[in-house]
Order: sequence, then structure tokens, then C-alpha cells
Amino acid sequence: DAGITQSPRHKVTETGTPVTLRCHQTENHRYMYWYRQDPGHGLRLIHYSYGVKDTDKGEVSDGYSVSRSKTEDFLLTLESATSSQTSVYFCAIQDRASSGNTIYFGEGSWLTVV
Amino acid sequence: AQSVTQPDIHITVSEGASLELRCNYSYGATPYLFWYVQSPGQGLQLLLKYFSGDTLVQGIKGFEAEFKRSQSSFNLRKPSVHWSDAAEYFCAVGFKAAGNKLTFGGGTRVLVKP
Repeated sequence: DAGITQSPRHKVTETGTPVTLRCHQTENHRYMYWYRQDPGHGLRLIHYSYGVKDTDKGEVSDGYSVSRSKTEDFLLTLESATSSQTSVYFCAIQDRASSGNTIYFGEGSWLTVV
Repeated sequence: AQSVTQPDIHITVSEGASLELRCNYSYGATPYLFWYVQSPGQGLQLLLKYFSGDTLVQGIKGFEAEFKRSQSSFNLRKPSVHWSDAAEYFCAVGFKAAGNKLTFGGGTRVLVKP
């Protein structure tokens, strides 16, 4: 258990509405990540953070923004949700105290855009 | 950019039989290598990892994987499969220089026949 909590765990929203997913960690990890999971694609990196207010884009960042105002929270925002953003979203942390800087994942947030 | 290939989308195996899941990656440097397992509706659990040293690594649940640099492969094996091993398995590659952002394969779904 890497102390990662995602909220909400399940959400249905309408096209065009803003949505924010929250990732909370309790172990003061510097690196945090947001991935999305879609069938056949595995997980793809949306954005990541390497410290408070330090974020960067991943391979599928279009339509998403992130913020990290404090170490423990990493927020993912869909400014105007589209049906193509229906997916499962996973937050992850990097445990730099572990060998190989292991990445641990939260339980996921299921988002449906109708 | 690095890529990870899991050639088998589905594998069906009889309970008690051996299992091997294939993973190939493309990148010039030696990466960190991971295998994760995901049960339906759940998050990703780390099975094992390779970052240096002995190329045969042992993981949880009786799994092992072998890193073969010459083949750019990191195949996962289990000598005798249990019904509880039915799940989806993901190979992932990370690089310390890149903040250990993971690139995932598309996943292999394992079905276990009684």
C-alpha cells in the first residue's frame, strides 16, 4: 500500500462539463503521475509532476490540465469533457527509496462521459 | 521514443500448466523493467521488477522474469498456474533519466481453464 487515494472512484458526467479528479498521497513522494487506461493501449501517461508546482506533459496530454499546489495532492482536470475521455484514470507515485524507483498505482477512477 | 510490445493479447492456459508472457521493448539504454498484474475492476499490483544485477528476478505469487539484453525482452513465467492467476498482465519500461515515466505494453489477458 503506497498510501494513494483517488477520488471520486466513479463518475458519470455530461459532454462539455469540467471534471476534476483528485489524487492524494500520504508518504511525501516527490514524483506523481496521471495515466489513463484504455483497452489495447495499456496505460498511457497524461501528465506528471516532479514537485510542487512542477509539472510536465505526457504522451496524451491534450484536453487535460494538472495542478500540484502541495506535495500530497495532484489534481487532474478535464476542462470540457468529451466522450473520448471516457476511461479509467490511475494516479501513481514514484517511490525513490525503492530499488529501481518503483511506481505504485492507486485504485483508479472510472469516468464516463455521456 | 521507447515502445513496449506484448505480442499476445489473450492467452488461455489450463490450471497447473506453465505460463509464459512475452514482452519486448525498444530503446538504446538499459531500462528499468516491470511486470504488473490487474484483476478486473482493480488497480495495478507490482509483480516484479528488474533494474540491475541478476537477470533472473523473482516476484510475488510464484512469478519470475528474465531480462535478455540481446533480445530486448523481459518475459514473465510461472511454472504452475492457479485459477487465481486469471487477470491482465502489463509489462512496463522506465528510465531513470526520464523521471522513470513508464511506458506500458498493451497487456495480455490470461484465462485459466479448470
